[in-house]
Amino acid sequence: DTAVSQTPKYLVTQMGNDKSIKCEQNLGHDTMYWYKQDSKKFLKIMFSYNNKELIINETVPNRFSPKSPDKAHLNLHINSLELGDSAVYFCASSQDKTGRLGNSPLHFGNGTRLTVT
Amino acid sequence: TQLLEQSPQFLSIQEGENLTVYCNSSSVFSSLQWYRQEPGEGPVLLVTVVTGGEVKKLKRLTFQFGDARKDSSLHITAAQPGDTGLYLCAGFVNAGGTSYGKLTFGQGTILTVHP
Repeated sequence: DTAVSQTPKYLVTQMGNDKSIKCEQNLGHDTMYWYKQDSKKFLKIMFSYNNKELIINETVPNRFSPKSPDKAHLNLHINSLELGDSAVYFCASSQDKTGRLGNSPLHFGNGTRLTVT
Repeated sequence: TQLLEQSPQFLSIQEGENLTVYCNSSSVFSSLQWYRQEPGEGPVLLVTVVTGGEVKKLKRLTFQFGDARKDSSLHITAAQPGDTGLYLCAGFVNAGGTSYGKLTFGQGTILTVHP
């Protein structure tokens, strides 16, 4: 009965490759997010989607392309991976109705640790 | 850009000790959230404080929001090994007009409680 699940948990790949991370939530939330946590544990928002519509795109390189086939799923595709993309990527969802980051708490998945060699 | 400074960054204590983690900013926040993250997992919300001066208690954890809503603290009484983890504060600023709100995370405090 995992609320927010993302796969894979670990991803090791070489520079220049293309990879995808999948995320699903069964909480019935309208809004989903991608966050990046760097090696210093800083969490930064990348994208938010509300009901399949992109709301927040926080100065992320266009090599990163999120896709939301329905409001329960938000996938992240990364083209031409670079060393600096190595990080832990977290999917999250919230009850926020607008995708504009209201006060609703975030429900995070367990993260995908991406290592680019 | 709103910045949140958490201190200390690392805290290693013995079971039974008390501790306080601080979260400071020069910005005013509409609310502030505290999360706990265990290794290999995502952050889990502990509490949200909204009103300046507000104090919330969660068993042995006491959270306080500063009067000016620029800072917050987390106090743990009689720490236990199960309290070990990364504690993150996150300050929220409301969206204005058609823009979106900002949720800024601190860099976290890694707490280790030894038996």
